[in-house]
Amino acid sequence: EVQLVESGGGLVQPGGSLRLSCAASGFTVSSNYMSWVRQAPGKGLEWVSVIYSGGSTYYADSVKGRFTISRDNSKNTLYLQMNSLRAEDTAVYYCARTWARYYYMDVWGKGTTVTVSS
Amino acid sequence: EIVLTQSPGTLSLSPGERATLSCRASQSVSSSYLAWYQQKPGQAPRLLIYGASSRATGIPDRFSGSGSGTDFTLTISRLEPEDFAVYYCQQYGSSPSMYTFGQGTKLEIK
Repeated sequence: EVQLVESGGGLVQPGGSLRLSCAASGFTVSSNYMSWVRQAPGKGLEWVSVIYSGGSTYYADSVKGRFTISRDNSKNTLYLQMNSLRAEDTAVYYCARTWARYYYMDVWGKGTTVTVSS
Repeated sequence: EIVLTQSPGTLSLSPGERATLSCRASQSVSSSYLAWYQQKPGQAPRLLIYGASSRATGIPDRFSGSGSGTDFTLTISRLEPEDFAVYYCQQYGSSPSMYTFGQGTKLEIK
Protein backbone atom coordinates (compact mmCIF):
# COMPACT_ATOMS: atom_id res chain seq x y z
CA GLU A 1 0.00 0.00 0.00
CA VAL A 2 1.25 3.45 -0.92
CA GLN A 3 1.46 5.53 2.25
CA LEU A 4 3.09 8.62 3.74
CA VAL A 5 3.47 9.19 7.48
CA GLU A 6 4.66 12.54 8.83
CA SER A 7 6.23 13.07 12.23
CA GLY A 8 8.29 15.62 14.11
CA GLY A 9 5.74 18.33 14.72
CA GLY A 10 5.33 20.03 18.06
CA LEU A 11 5.48 23.28 20.00
CA VAL A 12 8.53 25.48 19.39
CA GLN A 13 9.41 29.02 20.40
CA PRO A 14 9.77 31.80 17.83
CA GLY A 15 13.25 31.68 16.35
CA GLY A 16 13.56 27.97 17.07
CA SER A 17 14.07 25.00 14.77
CA LEU A 18 12.24 21.78 14.00
CA ARG A 19 12.78 18.93 11.58
CA LEU A 20 9.80 17.17 10.07
CA SER A 21 10.01 13.65 8.66
CA CYS A 22 7.83 11.90 6.13
CA ALA A 23 8.28 8.13 5.88
CA ALA A 24 7.11 6.58 2.64
CA SER A 25 6.01 3.02 1.96
CA GLY A 26 4.90 1.33 -1.23
CA PHE A 27 7.04 3.53 -3.47
CA THR A 28 10.52 5.04 -3.63
CA VAL A 29 10.92 8.65 -2.51
CA SER A 30 14.06 9.26 -4.55
CA SER A 31 12.35 8.22 -7.80
CA ASN A 32 9.51 10.67 -7.32
CA TYR A 33 8.88 14.35 -6.88
CA MET A 34 7.96 15.10 -3.27
CA SER A 35 6.34 18.20 -1.80
CA TRP A 36 5.53 19.79 1.53
CA VAL A 37 2.24 21.66 1.80
CA ARG A 38 0.97 23.42 4.92
CA GLN A 39 -2.35 24.64 6.23
CA ALA A 40 -2.60 27.29 8.92
CA PRO A 41 -5.51 26.91 11.36
CA GLY A 42 -8.77 27.66 9.58
CA LYS A 43 -6.97 28.63 6.38
CA GLY A 44 -6.35 27.18 2.94
CA LEU A 45 -3.52 25.12 1.52
CA GLU A 46 -0.11 26.68 0.93
CA TRP A 47 2.67 24.96 -1.02
CA VAL A 48 5.97 25.10 0.87
CA SER A 49 8.65 23.18 -1.02
CA VAL A 50 9.39 20.49 -3.58
CA ILE A 51 12.31 18.18 -4.28
CA TYR A 52 12.56 16.59 -7.68
CA SER A 53 13.90 13.14 -8.42
CA GLY A 54 17.06 14.69 -9.83
CA GLY A 55 17.64 16.55 -6.57
CA SER A 56 16.58 20.07 -7.51
CA THR A 57 14.76 21.90 -4.75
CA TYR A 58 12.37 24.86 -4.77
CA TYR A 59 10.69 26.89 -2.06
CA ALA A 60 7.84 29.30 -1.54
CA ASP A 61 9.04 32.85 -1.00
CA SER A 62 7.59 32.77 2.54
CA VAL A 63 10.07 30.08 3.65
CA LYS A 64 13.03 30.60 1.33
CA GLY A 65 16.29 30.82 3.25
CA ARG A 66 14.73 29.36 6.42
CA PHE A 67 13.48 25.91 5.37
CA THR A 68 15.41 23.09 3.68
CA ILE A 69 13.88 20.06 2.00
CA SER A 70 15.92 16.87 1.74
CA ARG A 71 15.58 13.10 1.57
CA ASP A 72 17.36 10.01 2.86
CA ASN A 73 17.24 7.36 0.18
CA SER A 74 18.33 4.58 2.55
CA LYS A 75 15.41 5.35 4.84
CA ASN A 76 12.97 6.21 2.04
CA THR A 77 12.15 9.35 4.00
CA LEU A 78 11.57 13.01 3.15
CA TYR A 79 12.54 15.80 5.53
CA LEU A 80 11.81 19.46 6.10
CA GLN A 81 14.31 21.34 8.25
CA MET A 82 12.67 24.48 9.57
CA ASN A 83 14.82 27.22 11.09
CA SER A 84 14.08 30.74 12.35
CA LEU A 85 10.47 29.76 12.92
CA ARG A 86 7.82 32.44 13.15
CA ALA A 87 4.29 32.48 14.51
CA GLU A 88 2.98 32.52 10.95
CA ASP A 89 4.62 29.12 10.33
CA THR A 90 2.06 27.56 12.68
CA ALA A 91 0.21 25.00 10.57
CA VAL A 92 -0.46 21.38 9.79
CA TYR A 93 2.34 20.23 7.48
CA TYR A 94 1.56 17.60 4.88
CA CYS A 95 3.99 15.73 2.67
CA ALA A 96 2.70 14.68 -0.72
CA ARG A 97 3.94 12.67 -3.66
CA THR A 98 3.94 14.94 -6.68
CA TRP A 99 3.36 13.42 -10.08
CA ALA A 100 6.18 14.34 -12.45
CA ARG A 101 4.35 14.86 -15.73
CA TYR A 102 1.32 16.82 -14.54
CA TYR A 103 2.66 18.25 -11.27
CA TYR A 104 -0.29 17.26 -9.13
CA MET A 105 -0.17 15.70 -5.67
CA ASP A 106 -1.69 12.25 -5.68
CA VAL A 107 -0.70 10.76 -2.32
CA TRP A 108 -0.85 12.72 0.93
CA GLY A 109 0.11 11.98 4.49
CA LYS A 110 -2.22 12.77 7.38
CA GLY A 111 -0.08 15.72 8.45
CA THR A 112 1.88 16.81 11.50
CA THR A 113 1.12 19.94 13.51
CA VAL A 114 3.68 22.65 14.13
CA THR A 115 2.90 25.39 16.64
CA VAL A 116 5.24 28.33 16.99
CA SER A 117 4.51 30.20 20.19
CA SER A 118 6.22 31.53 23.28
CA GLU B 1 3.44 34.63 -9.77
CA ILE B 2 0.08 33.22 -10.84
CA VAL B 3 -2.83 33.80 -8.46
CA LEU B 4 -5.80 31.44 -8.46
CA THR B 5 -9.15 32.89 -7.38
CA GLN B 6 -11.95 30.48 -6.57
CA SER B 7 -15.61 31.38 -6.54
CA PRO B 8 -17.92 31.34 -4.83
CA GLY B 9 -16.31 31.29 -1.40
CA THR B 10 -19.22 29.27 -0.08
CA LEU B 11 -21.81 27.34 -2.06
CA SER B 12 -24.99 26.14 -0.34
CA LEU B 13 -26.79 23.35 -2.16
CA SER B 14 -28.92 20.30 -1.42
CA PRO B 15 -28.12 16.65 -2.12
CA GLY B 16 -29.06 15.76 -5.67
CA GLU B 17 -28.34 19.25 -7.00
CA ARG B 18 -25.59 20.20 -9.43
CA ALA B 19 -22.54 22.09 -8.15
CA THR B 20 -20.38 24.33 -10.30
CA LEU B 21 -17.14 25.63 -8.80
CA SER B 22 -14.92 28.16 -10.55
CA CYS B 23 -11.15 28.68 -10.52
CA ARG B 24 -9.79 31.72 -12.33
CA ALA B 25 -6.07 32.30 -12.91
CA SER B 26 -4.41 35.71 -13.06
CA GLN B 27 -2.66 34.62 -16.25
CA SER B 28 -2.93 31.71 -18.62
CA VAL B 29 -2.26 28.28 -17.14
CA SER B 30 -1.44 25.11 -19.03
CA SER B 31 -4.42 22.78 -18.76
CA SER B 32 -1.99 19.97 -18.08
CA TYR B 33 -1.01 21.62 -14.83
CA LEU B 34 -4.41 22.34 -13.26
CA ALA B 35 -5.70 20.03 -10.53
CA TRP B 36 -8.62 19.92 -8.10
CA TYR B 37 -8.69 18.54 -4.55
CA GLN B 38 -11.36 17.81 -1.97
CA GLN B 39 -10.71 18.26 1.74
CA LYS B 40 -12.97 17.22 4.59
CA PRO B 41 -12.53 18.48 8.17
CA GLY B 42 -9.56 16.89 9.92
CA GLN B 43 -8.44 15.06 6.78
CA ALA B 44 -5.71 15.51 4.23
CA PRO B 45 -6.65 16.76 0.76
CA ARG B 46 -7.70 14.15 -1.80
CA LEU B 47 -6.90 14.45 -5.48
CA LEU B 48 -10.00 14.59 -7.67
CA ILE B 49 -8.99 15.94 -11.07
CA TYR B 50 -5.66 16.45 -12.82
CA GLY B 51 -4.81 17.86 -16.22
CA ALA B 52 -7.94 20.02 -15.85
CA SER B 53 -10.30 17.19 -16.86
CA SER B 54 -8.89 13.76 -15.98
CA ARG B 55 -10.40 12.01 -13.00
CA ALA B 56 -7.99 10.50 -10.49
CA THR B 57 -8.18 6.81 -9.67
CA GLY B 58 -11.35 5.88 -7.81
CA ILE B 59 -13.09 9.23 -8.25
CA PRO B 60 -16.79 8.85 -9.15
CA ASP B 61 -17.87 10.04 -12.59
CA ARG B 62 -20.21 12.63 -11.09
CA PHE B 63 -17.04 14.74 -10.70
CA SER B 64 -15.84 16.42 -13.87
CA GLY B 65 -13.39 19.17 -14.71
CA SER B 66 -13.20 21.51 -17.66
CA GLY B 67 -11.67 24.74 -18.84
CA SER B 68 -8.57 26.22 -20.35
CA GLY B 69 -6.45 29.34 -20.30
CA THR B 70 -7.53 31.31 -17.24
CA ASP B 71 -10.94 29.77 -16.48
CA PHE B 72 -11.46 26.31 -15.05
CA THR B 73 -14.52 24.60 -13.60
CA LEU B 74 -15.19 21.66 -11.33
CA THR B 75 -18.69 20.24 -11.72
CA ILE B 76 -20.38 17.74 -9.45
CA SER B 77 -23.40 16.49 -11.38
CA ARG B 78 -25.55 15.20 -8.53
CA LEU B 79 -24.43 15.96 -5.02
CA GLU B 80 -24.11 13.10 -2.57
CA PRO B 81 -23.99 13.74 1.21
CA GLU B 82 -20.28 12.86 1.25
CA ASP B 83 -19.46 15.58 -1.30
CA PHE B 84 -19.94 18.44 1.14
CA ALA B 85 -16.40 19.62 1.80
CA VAL B 86 -13.87 22.28 0.79
CA TYR B 87 -12.51 22.19 -2.75
CA TYR B 88 -9.20 23.63 -3.92
CA CYS B 89 -7.73 24.17 -7.34
CA GLN B 90 -3.95 24.04 -7.81
CA GLN B 91 -1.61 24.95 -10.63
CA TYR B 92 2.04 24.46 -11.43
CA GLY B 93 4.22 27.10 -12.99
CA SER B 94 7.82 26.88 -14.10
CA SER B 95 10.63 29.47 -14.08
CA PRO B 96 11.10 28.81 -11.23
CA SER B 97 9.08 25.79 -10.20
CA MET B 98 6.17 26.96 -8.09
CA TYR B 99 2.85 25.52 -7.06
CA THR B 100 -0.19 27.63 -6.20
CA PHE B 101 -3.50 26.77 -4.57
CA GLY B 102 -6.71 28.71 -4.78
CA GLN B 103 -8.22 29.90 -1.52
CA GLY B 104 -10.90 27.20 -1.61
CA THR B 105 -14.65 26.90 -2.04
CA LYS B 106 -16.68 25.50 0.82
CA LEU B 107 -19.57 23.38 -0.38
CA GLU B 108 -22.15 23.20 2.39
CA ILE B 109 -25.52 21.54 2.79
CA LYS B 110 -28.43 23.91 2.31
